[in-house]
Amino acid sequence: SQTIHQWPATLVQPVGSPLSLECTVEGTSNPNLYWYRQAAGRGLQLLFYSVGIGQISSEVPQNLSASRPQDRQFILSSKKLLLSDSGFYLCAWMDLRGIYRLIGNEQFFGPGTRLTVL
Amino acid sequence: GIQVEQSPPDLILQEGANSTLRCNFSDSVNNLQWFHQNPWGQLINLFYIPSGTKQNGRLSATTVATERYSLLYISSSQTTDSGVYFCAVGYQLIWGAGTKLIIKP
Repeated sequence: SQTIHQWPATLVQPVGSPLSLECTVEGTSNPNLYWYRQAAGRGLQLLFYSVGIGQISSEVPQNLSASRPQDRQFILSSKKLLLSDSGFYLCAWMDLRGIYRLIGNEQFFGPGTRLTVL
Repeated sequence: GIQVEQSPPDLILQEGANSTLRCNFSDSVNNLQWFHQNPWGQLINLFYIPSGTKQNGRLSATTVATERYSLLYISSSQTTDSGVYFCAVGYQLIWGAGTKLIIKP
């Protein structure tokens, strides 16, 4: 079965410091991968998605970036964190094969990273 | 872009009650999911339901794609049902603002 991992679970960082959050998926190949951010008490905002190694699409302009160095690894980074970067970051995957088999485009989520920027 | 509206925004019920949560969307979609976010933040897939009706235990969902809405039914509520319920639509998932459900013992 498929499993998605995120780490760390919680993180407290000072303003201006760098950031690296990692997400890995097991049990599937060539998945679509997604990074979302959720502000307290709000819905999810899509930040980045990737359809393959080295392919990144950005949905929202910001000081964050994403990379996909391996098929099942997705990394969210920042060179200098802002206070507004605080939030709950979630990684998700979707099995691309589902599209061609017409069984749906269901996304599955990792446990999330709670980031506080002070 | 597609707009997704959920109602009600907040719902407080006694244990054992039934509830109906609604999701309206502004354009036709080929993907709709319902999620439950527990108090620890974990998003749990409830239903993938672009159309039709599905049931899973005390939960069921119905999507009427032609009328652009979906309903999530929770019967015999338990305190563990508390949390925020989201619907999301579309290939890249456009999210509603959620319904915060509190079940009191």
